[in-house]
Amino acid sequence: ETGVTQSPTHLIKTRGQQVTLRCSSQSGHNTVSWYQQALGQGPQFIFQYYREEENGRGNFPPRFSGLQFPNYSSELNVNALELDDSALYLCASSSGTGFYEQYFGPGTRLTVT
Amino acid sequence: GEDVEQSLFLSVREGDSSVINCTYTDSSSTYLYWYKQEPGAGLQLLTYIFSNMDMKQDQRLTVLLNKKDKHLSLRIADTQTGDSAIYFCADLLYGQNFVFGPGTRLSVLP
Repeated sequence: ETGVTQSPTHLIKTRGQQVTLRCSSQSGHNTVSWYQQALGQGPQFIFQYYREEENGRGNFPPRFSGLQFPNYSSELNVNALELDDSALYLCASSSGTGFYEQYFGPGTRLTVT
Repeated sequence: GEDVEQSLFLSVREGDSSVINCTYTDSSSTYLYWYKQEPGAGLQLLTYIFSNMDMKQDQRLTVLLNKKDKHLSLRIADTQTGDSAIYFCADLLYGQNFVFGPGTRLSVLP
C-alpha cells in the first residue's frame, strides 16, 4: 500500500509569484484535504476535495485554490504569494467525505522571500 | 470560532507516564483526535475518540474525554525516548471543519 506523497519537498518563491503543490493520495482513498502549518503552530484547514469537487473550505482567501483529478491526486495553487504564505503545506487523504481517518503526507516547505 | 488549547511543553522521565491535555470550546464536536509529529515529518494519526465516548484505550495510549468540561487528554504509559515529538489534538466540528491545537512538545529524558 502506497502512502501519501507530496512534491516538491522544498520550494522558494518570490512575493507576487504563483505556486503549485502536488499530492498523491493513499491507495484506495478518494478524499484529499490540504492544510497550512506555520512555524510553531498547528495545521490550519484550507480545503477538502472529494471525488473532484470541493467539499468544505477553511478561512483562506480565494487566491488559494485546488483541483482533484480522476485518480484522486490533487493540486494546491496559491496566487499572488505573500510573505505570510511561508509555511509547511500538508495534504491528507481519507476515504469518503469527512476526516475520520486521515493520513498525512510529509509536507512541502514553501518559503516566500 | 472554535478554540483548541494545549500546554506547549511537557518533560517526563523515560518509563514514566505522560499526560497531554487539551481543551476545546465548541460543543458540536463529533470526533476528537490525537496526532504525533516528529521533526521534519508530516502528522501521524495516533488515535481518535467519538464524542459520545468517555475513554478509549489502544495499547500504551489512553484517551479520556470529559464532555462537560470540554477536556481531552492523552496518556502514554511507559514513555520511551521515541515518543519525543509534538502532539496535536484536533477537533472535528459538524463533520466538516477540522481544528488543530497549537501542539504540545513532549521531551523524554533518559
